[in-house]
Amino acid sequence: EAGVAQSPRYKIIEKRQSVAFWCNPISGHATLYWYQQILGQGPKLLIQFQNNGVVDDSQLPKDRFSAERLKGVDSTLKIQPAKLEDSAVYLCASSLVRAGEAFFGQGTRLTVV
Amino acid sequence: AQSVTQPDIHITVSEGASLELRCNYSYGATPYLFWYVQSPGQGLQLLLKYFSGDTLVQGIKGFEAEFKRSQSSFNLRKPSVHWSDAAEYFCAVGAEAAGNKLTFGGGTRVLVKP
Repeated sequence: EAGVAQSPRYKIIEKRQSVAFWCNPISGHATLYWYQQILGQGPKLLIQFQNNGVVDDSQLPKDRFSAERLKGVDSTLKIQPAKLEDSAVYLCASSLVRAGEAFFGQGTRLTVV
Repeated sequence: AQSVTQPDIHITVSEGASLELRCNYSYGATPYLFWYVQSPGQGLQLLLKYFSGDTLVQGIKGFEAEFKRSQSSFNLRKPSVHWSDAAEYFCAVGAEAAGNKLTFGGGTRVLVKP
């Protein structure tokens, strides 16, 4: 079974530029999560999708972050414009409905300079 | 709201010694509980999980964890640590009533001395 795929693995951008991350979850997993992990901290949930719909985006900075999940499968997370404090690893995860166990991709390491 | 506390930021243990990582959670009902491990530059790998039933759960790589409802704890243990166990460990809590939202603790970094 293929795992959660994320791209790119690494990205360096200047502040005020925009960036997008892509995630392809495990086939059949209805729930998709985006987490932000700042160096030395635990992952923080940014947004959770159930199929196409948003379940929780309470910690997503909506003035600069946006996310969508196309046809209940792939998802993209965008930051526009980026700030220095957005430097982090962005993790995508997926899980079966009501199973609770999440499978994680390798993440995208973003550096904003 | 659910929350997770991992009181130890760093732990150093000698190879072959036992390891115990602490995790305390806050949630009104019975949660789902997880331990994940993260090696440098990698994503998170599930070590074990508790949904219900036997409160002592076995996981991969020789790890086990015990759910203690009275203490709101889910501590991770390994009887004999190997050098390859050096990594960061995260405890997480989820709940079906919360839409399966997963909340993570701050992590414990484990260093293994030869």
